Amino acid sequence: QKEVEQNSGPLSVPEGAIASLNCTYSDRGSQSFFWYRQYSGKSPELIMFIYSNGDKEDGRFTAQLNKASQYVSLLIRDSQPSDSATYLCAVNPGGMNAGNMLTFGGGTRLMVKP
Amino acid sequence: DGGITQSPKYLFRKEGQNVTLSCEQNLNHDAMYWYRQDPGQGLRLIYYSQIVNDFQKGDIAEGYSVSREKKESFPLTVTSAQKNPTAFYLCASSIDVRNTEAFFGQGTRLTVV
Repeated sequence: QKEVEQNSGPLSVPEGAIASLNCTYSDRGSQSFFWYRQYSGKSPELIMFIYSNGDKEDGRFTAQLNKASQYVSLLIRDSQPSDSATYLCAVNPGGMNAGNMLTFGGGTRLMVKP
Repeated sequence: DGGITQSPKYLFRKEGQNVTLSCEQNLNHDAMYWYRQDPGQGLRLIYYSQIVNDFQKGDIAEGYSVSREKKESFPLTVTSAQKNPTAFYLCASSIDVRNTEAFFGQGTRLTVV
């Protein structure tokens, strides 16, 4: 069973701080990694994806991937109350075979306090 | 506007009834997916389809059925065999199953009454 693990939280940070969200995965061959944000009662929306080791920056968001250690993280700089949501990590094993589906972690609930 | 549309947004089912959740996309995506989300939990894959007239079971397919007669449509039927159907159901699509940058519909919240 391929697993994706996240701390359920809540992770509480003050407004303006850096929020750090972490995710570990069990399938060493995984090739693509996604971060989704989900507001309460709403559907997930894609905010970042990363395929290669290292950092990928997009505005206030930075995704970090370390395949050797099998973890992927999401940093949110200058956190805002509107960032308060559940963040879902998703992993895809990649390749050409059918059944290479996204496996989701349970999500981390982030609370940004004014 | 391109996107994925799920309907209805809220659905109530009586014990022993079958209900069908609609999912339509106009993104010209080949792959479509159904996920179930329980409170405080992640998403679990019910069924997926790579192409018209083809679909495969996911991790929790028991008690569910799907069809894919058109590229744009992937309805999910929750049958009476599903003993605990109350959940938030999410439909998603992607260009194909290798490119899993998936986009989600707004979800259907199903409650058994």
